[in-house]
Amino acid sequence: GQQVMQIPQYQHVQEGEDFTTYCNSSTTLSNIQWYKQRPGGHPVFLIQLVKSGEVKKQKRLTFQFGEAKKNSSLHITATQTTDVGTYFCAGAGANNLFFGTGTRLTVIP
Amino acid sequence: DADVTQTPRNRITKTGKRIMLECSQTKGHDRMYWYRQDPGLGLRLIYYSFDVKDINKGEISDGYSVSRQAQAKFSLSLESAIPNQTALYFCATSDFNNEQFFGPGTRLTVL
Repeated sequence: GQQVMQIPQYQHVQEGEDFTTYCNSSTTLSNIQWYKQRPGGHPVFLIQLVKSGEVKKQKRLTFQFGEAKKNSSLHITATQTTDVGTYFCAGAGANNLFFGTGTRLTVIP
Repeated sequence: DADVTQTPRNRITKTGKRIMLECSQTKGHDRMYWYRQDPGLGLRLIYYSFDVKDINKGEISDGYSVSRQAQAKFSLSLESAIPNQTALYFCATSDFNNEQFFGPGTRLTVL
């Protein structure tokens, strides 16, 4: 079955350092979405990437979709304490999404 | 997101009990989903529904059933709860582009 793997599982960074999480699919994806879940909260949609090689930016966040549409990454520049949480990628299958296992980001002030 | 509500928010029950988790939405979306979240395993899809007459199994449907009573309501049942069903359960909705809007979650503990 379709699988979406995400690494690393945990990441601790000093405030101001950069952070990257990577997502890999066993199959080609029609699109990929990214979500953020704050501690004690629920996942919240961040962005969707559709095109091969697509790059999108949201302030300090940069999202990339691989040329083969099987991998993606989220990069945060100069992390802040407000970036704390778990970041999930979700690959689109035929009828639903397959979520990655998530990367839990801790930012040390 | 206040547009998607879940009841109860927390529930402790015993092995063998029947449990129902309810989800309501005011977003007007046709698509609704039930996910389970366990530490280190991410979000796994239990069931999904694209309209009132449509029910589909997800990745981990064994031990669960669902009912789509109306466009706005989607309930999840555990017919006979077992301890490894202890988890955080999320309901979500989406329109055709699959952007998911999640409810606040229900924390279920089965003793």
